[in-house]
Amino acid sequence: GDSVTQMEGPVTLSEEAFLTINCTYTATGYPSLFWYVQYPGEGLQLLLKATKADDKGSNKGFEATYRKETTSFHLEKGSVQVSDSAVYFCALGGMDSSYKLIFGSGTRLLVRP
Amino acid sequence: GAVVSQHPSWVICKSGTSVKIECRSLDFQATTMFWYRQFPKQSLMLMATSNEGSKATYEQGVEKDKFLINHASLTLSTLTVTSAHPEDSSFYICSASQLQGRGETQYFGPGTRLLVL
Repeated sequence: GDSVTQMEGPVTLSEEAFLTINCTYTATGYPSLFWYVQYPGEGLQLLLKATKADDKGSNKGFEATYRKETTSFHLEKGSVQVSDSAVYFCALGGMDSSYKLIFGSGTRLLVRP
Repeated sequence: GAVVSQHPSWVICKSGTSVKIECRSLDFQATTMFWYRQFPKQSLMLMATSNEGSKATYEQGVEKDKFLINHASLTLSTLTVTSAHPEDSSFYICSASQLQGRGETQYFGPGTRLLVL
């Protein structure tokens, strides 16, 4: 079935370091791909999305490119800040009329000053 | 835009009582709302999909008689945890979908933390 695999955390970085969080997916059709961020004690916020192959989603310095050939949607940021500390979820959706989202397990990011 | 609210944000109740959680899309109409449950340090588990004016579709293993979902309007869905027990303690998150270009995007509420004593 459809699934999302994320790299296990926690990922610990120093401020201004480069961030990559890997995400790969398995899907029978042509999903849309999403990154959501969850700050402590809060719900999820949509960070960025891409709806077709080679699309690049970007927001707040974060980027991810929909790579159909490698079935990946890795999240990157050139210079992380302490305020980026959160849990990041990769998800796929748009597979059928139910518009369900399938989430990865989440990756916790801790940025140290 | 695309703001989803939940009420209450925190609730503590005694075992055996029922708790109602509201989910509202504040600035858009949502034909579909979703209810998730999240355990500490884990991912979201979809409980049910709620369509306005029709019965909710529950995921496998979710008791429909225990988790009652009502989607009364295009901006409001409610989840009622009936006869709550300590094992129902969790973080409940709703989302509302909005049609944007190709496909839909889900926007999430801030969550409701339920503690059953």
